[in-house]
Amino acid sequence: EAQVTQNPRYLITVTGKKLTVTCSQNMNHEYMSWYRQDPGLGLRQIYYSMNVEVTDKGDVPEGYKVSRKEKRNFPLILESPSPNQTSLYFCASSSGVGSPLHFGNGTRLTVT
Amino acid sequence: LAKTTQPISMDSYEGQEVNITCSHNNIATNDYITWYQQFPSQGPRFIIQGYKTKVTNEVASLFIPADRKSSTLSLPRVSLSDTAVYYCLVVDWGSNYQLIWGAGTKLIIKP
Repeated sequence: EAQVTQNPRYLITVTGKKLTVTCSQNMNHEYMSWYRQDPGLGLRQIYYSMNVEVTDKGDVPEGYKVSRKEKRNFPLILESPSPNQTSLYFCASSSGVGSPLHFGNGTRLTVT
Repeated sequence: LAKTTQPISMDSYEGQEVNITCSHNNIATNDYITWYQQFPSQGPRFIIQGYKTKVTNEVASLFIPADRKSSTLSLPRVSLSDTAVYYCLVVDWGSNYQLIWGAGTKLIIKP
């Protein structure tokens, strides 16, 4: 089954403790991206990657890092999480920019 | 820089046709316009994509006028299960392919 898998689904952590949210897709997609979604603010793109070893900042990249060492994986790294990063995060992939996106089920992160 | 604008919310009733319009100025001539549906606590799901005129699939139609400054998602004969948030999306090819999302339209279908 074609899918985008994010882990974990829920994460509660404390300020400053580094964490990684994993994202993997099995569709051989070139394009992958991360979003955060907060009440009343819609989807905001954090980072995106158009192919292996190619990443670019989205609208809200501050406080986040990503890497794209393999085509299928696109982890989101929070080196020093802060409470304002409490949010619902989505990973998505597509065959190319502008092609329909496939989204994961989301990761709800709480930073205390 | 491209920008998208859509209504914050809409109400309708079961069995009606619902039209949601998104305004998108400054889109490039080769930009596709894409619409997604999102239910609470789920990732958005692709509905339909178009470039010009009219596109229809099994769940919706998409109307794009010649000037391409707007697009209208049409949902025929809605049901309660169509209650969701609907997003339009364009690609800003001039800004390193950034995706420009609308703020979302919360559609509530009443019995």
